Amino acid sequence: AQRVTQPEKLLSVFKGAPVELKCNYSYSGSPELFWYVQYSRQRLQLLLRHISRESIKGFTADLNKGETSFHLKKPFAQEEDSAMYYCALSGLEWSGGSNYKLTFGKGTLLTVNP
Amino acid sequence: NAGVTQTPKFQVLKTGQSMTLQCAQDMNHNSMYWYRQDPGMGLRLIYYSASEGTTDKGEVPNGYNVSRLNKREFSLRLESAAPSQTSVYFCASSEGIRTGSNQPQHFGDGTRLSIL
Repeated sequence: AQRVTQPEKLLSVFKGAPVELKCNYSYSGSPELFWYVQYSRQRLQLLLRHISRESIKGFTADLNKGETSFHLKKPFAQEEDSAMYYCALSGLEWSGGSNYKLTFGKGTLLTVNP
Repeated sequence: NAGVTQTPKFQVLKTGQSMTLQCAQDMNHNSMYWYRQDPGMGLRLIYYSASEGTTDKGEVPNGYNVSRLNKREFSLRLESAAPSQTSVYFCASSEGIRTGSNQPQHFGDGTRLSIL
């Protein structure tokens, strides 16, 4: 079974402060991890994926297999970063074939105050 | 480039009414998904279609049916709506969940459904 835990439902920081959104996962195989972002009343958008090892909008996330974590970080938060952030894990699920299943965490609502 | 298009955007139903949510994608993706999003629950998978002609249950399928009409379209039907089905529904698509690689999912704008 695969599981994604985002321990913080709400996170509030001031503009210019560092921000870290936590994500821990449980999966027996080799996972692929994603961060999705949803701005107010908009569709979910892919923010970044660990395999790309890239920085998007100043955000980075490193996969730590030892700690089974994939925390999202940004050194200086901006007001436009206020949104709901979802961590997601994609892993193989056997069900008479071989499908990749995407499991989402419950999300963290980030508010960046001026 | 529309991506994933959902209709309608909003709908209010009475308990017991039926309706179908439509979803279409123009990215030639093989796999399509229906999720519901509820406060404090995140996204939960209702049904998915790995490829044209196949559908499978997700985490919360009860009260719903789906049809993969063709490669582009994947509809979600509520046969007898209940207040517990008040939610925001998202359709998504991906290149293919059997391709051997983990491709990201692309989402529609969502349908806000209220059942009175």
